[in-house]
Amino acid sequence: DIQMTQSPSSLSASVGDRVTIACRASQTISNYLNWYHQKSGKAPKVLIFGSSNLPSGVPSRFSGSGSGTDFSLTISSLQPEDFGIYYCQQSYSTPITFGQGTRLEMK
Amino acid sequence: EVQLVESGGGVVQPGQSLKLSCVAAGFTFGDSPIHWVRQAPGKGLEWVGRIKGEGYSYATVYAASVRGRFTMSRDDSQNTAYLQMNSLKSEDTAVYYCSRGAWYGPIKWLAPWGQGTQVTVSS
Repeated sequence: DIQMTQSPSSLSASVGDRVTIACRASQTISNYLNWYHQKSGKAPKVLIFGSSNLPSGVPSRFSGSGSGTDFSLTISSLQPEDFGIYYCQQSYSTPITFGQGTRLEMK
Repeated sequence: EVQLVESGGGVVQPGQSLKLSCVAAGFTFGDSPIHWVRQAPGKGLEWVGRIKGEGYSYATVYAASVRGRFTMSRDDSQNTAYLQMNSLKSEDTAVYYCSRGAWYGPIKWLAPWGQGTQVTVSS
């Protein structure tokens, strides 16, 4: 199974900050990497697919990059609705696996 | 609107069974793989398995933790997917989500997700 490791596990930031979350795969996964955001008590929603593609409706302050084993998600200017937990997920092979999550809290 | 709605969760004792349903709307259900993902209390996301559509002979794949105990199925005429869970264990306690497998060329992701249904296994 491909292991996904996110860093940091948690971070505190303020509205307007630039935030970056990293995700590393235990083996190469090309660009088959997706990012999700989960608010408390809600289902996850996709933010980025295929490492760097934004689905329709996702604000442009979100961006993703990376290929192979190392990936990152960047929020250029944090907004109040961005707090919550972020997960990376590989779709290179089954079983699909997720990172352990990064909890983004308000400073 | 593209959406998925799960139901069927509840409280059961260890060793018992439960069947979850996932009703879809707003997209061509028969063409779409359906995934099940669970989240134990206070924990991260764990993929449970996936079932493809008729064009792929309803092929299924399961996580090792549920293989042999859980069975996915679907009724495309009812836009509904099912997760039959047998021999339930306390570690199966979680919110269970269904999600559509979306794709663009070889790139695949999960969207949208249902609201989730709670399964509690306790004596």
